[in-house]
Amino acid sequence: EDKVVQSPLSLVVHEGDTVTLNCSYEVTNFRSLLWYKQEKKAPTFLFMLTSSGIEKKSGRLSSILDKKELFSILNITATQTGDSAVYLCAVMDSSYKLIFGSGTRLLVRP
Amino acid sequence: ETGVTQTPRHLVMGMTNKKSLKCEQHLGHNAMYWYKQSAKKPLELMFVYNFKEQTENNSVPSRFSPECPNSSHLFLHLHTLQPEDSALYLCASSPLGGSYEQYFGPGTRLTVT
Repeated sequence: EDKVVQSPLSLVVHEGDTVTLNCSYEVTNFRSLLWYKQEKKAPTFLFMLTSSGIEKKSGRLSSILDKKELFSILNITATQTGDSAVYLCAVMDSSYKLIFGSGTRLLVRP
Repeated sequence: ETGVTQTPRHLVMGMTNKKSLKCEQHLGHNAMYWYKQSAKKPLELMFVYNFKEQTENNSVPSRFSPECPNSSHLFLHLHTLQPEDSALYLCASSPLGGSYEQYFGPGTRLTVT
């Protein structure tokens, strides 16, 4: 059965800290891996990764994929209270279906 | 705003009621999705529509009935639900035929009493 596992389940840090969120997967027909941020309701898209070893960056956020070891990390540097959210990892399979992990709940304290 | 709207945003219904959730996308996408998000569980795909045709039914009970009259609108008809169906129901859309991200609506928070 396809599965996506995220760790840690929750994380509390102080503003300015750097955090690393993990996502490992076992998906039979992998196409790509996506990261979303969910603050209140609608998940908002952050990154899509399809190739190993190529870092994607957007401001203080960056992500990389390792297709050999079947995992991805999402890094957030110099965290701010506005980064508090649930971060969702999802794997897209060959039929374009998204399989989601349970998410990592990040709380950034002032 | 992601270009995907959902109504209502909150719904409380009894187990004998019939109600419908509505989703509309203004992005010109051809694929639309219903997801269920329960507390402490991953987002679960329920239904997929490509060009108005249902291509995926992820073993969803028949008390949930989707309808896709055109590529911009998606409904989820609800009848004789159970309390365990209380959850956040999210609609998403994406272009078809490629590895594209899905754009999510704000969701409907459903409570079944």
